[in-house]
Amino acid sequence: SQTIHQWPATLVQPVGSPLSLECTVEGTSNPNLYWYRQAAGRGLQLLFYSVGIGQISSEVPQNLSASRPQDRQFILSSKKLLLSDSGFYLCAWSVVDRDYNEQFFGPGTRLTVL
Amino acid sequence: DQQVKQNSPSLSVQEGRISILNCDYTNSMFDYFLWYKKYPAEGPTFLISISSIKDKNEDGRFTVFLNKSAKHLSLHIVPSQPGDSAVYFCAASLSGAGSYQLTFGKGTKLSVIP
Repeated sequence: SQTIHQWPATLVQPVGSPLSLECTVEGTSNPNLYWYRQAAGRGLQLLFYSVGIGQISSEVPQNLSASRPQDRQFILSSKKLLLSDSGFYLCAWSVVDRDYNEQFFGPGTRLTVL
Repeated sequence: DQQVKQNSPSLSVQEGRISILNCDYTNSMFDYFLWYKKYPAEGPTFLISISSIKDKNEDGRFTVFLNKSAKHLSLHIVPSQPGDSAVYFCAASLSGAGSYQLTFGKGTKLSVIP
């Protein structure tokens, strides 16, 4: 069965510091991968998605970036964090080339920027 | 412009009764709809989905109804159990390979009272 891992589970970082969040998927090949953010009192906002190694699409312009160095690895980064980057970050995957886009989420990372 | 709306931020229901969670959408191009359940500090879990060619889909205690003319869907949980207490997100997408984005509502917090 497929599993998705995210780490760290929680992170407290000062403003201006860099960020690296990692997501890996097991039990499937060539998945679509996604990064979402849930800010306090808001829904899930899609940040990036990837349909293959090195292929990244950005949905929201901001100081975050994403990379996919391996088939089942997705990384969310920032060079300098802002206070507004605080939130709950979720990685998700879905099967490629399927008519119905059911996405499956990881456990999430709680990021607090102070 | 919020394309998927969950107008009730919270709902309280007695154990054993029916829980009805509502969702409205504005984009008539959406043709696939999903419900996710989320516990605090965890990722959302996929619950049930429905395509626009149907008006009802049932899975155990969970039933989703779709009214295309009203652009409205609802999730019924019968009977409600204390373990159902969570935040429920409605999501919508376009079907077909190459459709990657799920558009989420802001969620409804369901509390099932023992």
